[in-house]
Amino acid sequence: QQPVQSPQAVILREGEDAVINCSSSKALYSVHWYRQKHGEAPVFLMILLKGGEQKGHEKISASFNEKKQQSSLYLTASQLSYSGTYFCGTETYNQGGKLIFGQGTELSVKP
Amino acid sequence: KAGVTQTPRYLIKTRGQQVTLSCSPISGHRSVSWYQQTPGQGLQFLFEYFSETQRNKGNFPGRFSGRQFSNSRSEMNVSTLELGDSALYLCASSLAGDDTLYGYTFGSGTRLTVV
Repeated sequence: QQPVQSPQAVILREGEDAVINCSSSKALYSVHWYRQKHGEAPVFLMILLKGGEQKGHEKISASFNEKKQQSSLYLTASQLSYSGTYFCGTETYNQGGKLIFGQGTELSVKP
Repeated sequence: KAGVTQTPRYLIKTRGQQVTLSCSPISGHRSVSWYQQTPGQGLQFLFEYFSETQRNKGNFPGRFSGRQFSNSRSEMNVSTLELGDSALYLCASSLAGDDTLYGYTFGSGTRLTVV
């Protein structure tokens, strides 16, 4: 039931791009993305609804492929501040408010 | 604008005891969710309340319970504590209603240690 994220970890140099994927075996109503820095609370980045909507936040954007039940998070021209663990959270139909999180992807951006 | 406030921040309890954690959501937010975060299991959903009603519950034993008050503040209770209950407990609030979707704002959490 837990969505699967890939990769588990990624190391980037400043300015490089990255893609984090989130796949579910269930039919999804929405996908959330959060970033958590060490010792801090998760911070909401964006939400995607069924229908393949793409959202943007600074240089971070995401897409949702309803046919594949897969969402991808795109980090463009990464900055040091992007370091942290990224989680996707999925909601299924008739279970609004119940977010099931993936295991997380640890992103480290080096100067 | 005040964020989600969780109290206490840290707690040390002995096996067998019970504990109550508190969460004050952002003003106007009616949905409150609770999550358990551990290094091994990650972020796991405990339950979600909306307008004082539990809408969803995760796969946790009955020792874990919660409630929401009319002012949207929420509490969660864990009875008969076990060592495995040691974790960071996060509360999150949202404007989410029956047919609208919003992101969740998380509190800083309560770090519970069971000895």
